[in-house]
Amino acid sequence: EAEVAQSPRYKITEKSQAVAFWCDPISGHATLYWYRQILGQGPELLVQFQDESVVDDSQLPKDRFSAERLKGVDSTLKIQPAELGDSAMYLCASSGQVEVTDTQYFGPGTRLTVL
Amino acid sequence: AQSVAQPEDQVNVAEGNPLTVKCTYSVSGNPYLFWYVQYPNRGLQFLLKYITGDNLVKGSYGFEAEFNKSQTSFHLKKPSALVSDSALYFCAVRDKGGANNLFFGTGTRLTVIP
Repeated sequence: EAEVAQSPRYKITEKSQAVAFWCDPISGHATLYWYRQILGQGPELLVQFQDESVVDDSQLPKDRFSAERLKGVDSTLKIQPAELGDSAMYLCASSGQVEVTDTQYFGPGTRLTVL
Repeated sequence: AQSVAQPEDQVNVAEGNPLTVKCTYSVSGNPYLFWYVQYPNRGLQFLLKYITGDNLVKGSYGFEAEFNKSQTSFHLKKPSALVSDSALYFCAVRDKGGANNLFFGTGTRLTVIP
């Protein structure tokens, strides 16, 4: 069964450092999402891609966060500089289409701890 | 605006008993509703979704959910709980006329007691 891949699974960093997360969606999936899940809460969307284009980044803190999907396949989410409040699980999801009825499939996530 | 409420942070049920995890939603248009399960330090696994049609939706691992438009609810159910069902469950909604992203509830932790 095809899965969304993410790495690393865990990342510990000090505040003010730069961190990067990688996501490889299910093969053939055109739509890719990055979510942030703070402990005790549901995931919240950070950015959505359709192929290589950003569809929605209204919730992405652009002063420190950036995301790219250069070839429309895998994607990288970067935080620079990291802050204590960025400690969370970062989830990547993909779906075959951008239709609202389409199911999003999630990767295992990257748990970030900022010290 | 779209939102989901999961009124119970924690649900405990004995193994073999039926379980229900509650979810209510608020959307301006027609809702598309989803249930996901999350095991410790793992991503979310899709269980089932309601798009249109039959109000009773069957999903993975023996779970089902009932869409009730008048009560704006989409409760998750299973006739006989297993210890392995213990996990965190999230309800999510999309609005037909709204954004494409999912809006999640805060989650309900299900504990099945042997």
